[in-house]
Amino acid sequence: GENVEQHPSTLSVQEGDSAVIKCTYSDSASNYFPWYKQELGKRPQLIIDIRSNVGEKKDQRIAVTLNKTAKHFSLHITETQPEDSAVYFCAASPPGSYQLTFGKGTKLSVIP
Amino acid sequence: NAGVTQTPKFQVLKTGQSMTLQCAQDMNHNSMYWYRQDPGMGLRLIYYSASEGTTDKGEVPNGYNVSRLNKREFSLRLESAAPSQTSVYFCASSPETGRPYEQYFGPGTRLTVT
Repeated sequence: GENVEQHPSTLSVQEGDSAVIKCTYSDSASNYFPWYKQELGKRPQLIIDIRSNVGEKKDQRIAVTLNKTAKHFSLHITETQPEDSAVYFCAASPPGSYQLTFGKGTKLSVIP
Repeated sequence: NAGVTQTPKFQVLKTGQSMTLQCAQDMNHNSMYWYRQDPGMGLRLIYYSASEGTTDKGEVPNGYNVSRLNKREFSLRLESAAPSQTSVYFCASSPETGRPYEQYFGPGTRLTVT
């Protein structure tokens, strides 16, 4: 089955700096890659996603890039703010299935 | 519109006891999922149901059973709880059309087995 590796496991940045989280996946057939944000004590919520036919997608301060050849995708957060502090999970889904395989998460801390 | 709801929010069990975690969604979604979340392990799929009347095993199904009671409800049962099942359990659902990959999560159930 699919295996998703996520790095780093923890990340601290100064407010206003950028943060980058990287994930690799094992199944070259996977075609959907979402990112979820989980604030402390809350449920995971989708923040951005990308399909395999697209190389990059942006939504305000958040962007995701996908390199199908290398089988990795990344989350980029620019101009970080304290409210960006949370655990971020990447995931991958193979075609024909709506199941998601999640990475182990990255705890992002934005220092004011 | 409550979205995905779960009961109970918290539960403490003794080893060997049984219990059922309840999940319901009011978004008319076809697919429903049960995950467990452990520190440093991310979210791992226990069971999922692609539609009413069907269930399939996920990554970590041992020690659990599920029932898709109807389109709205998907329950997770622990027949004989073990300390290794101490975890936070999330239920999720996703629609059949539009954005079928987008999963909506419930608030979670924090289970401790002593």
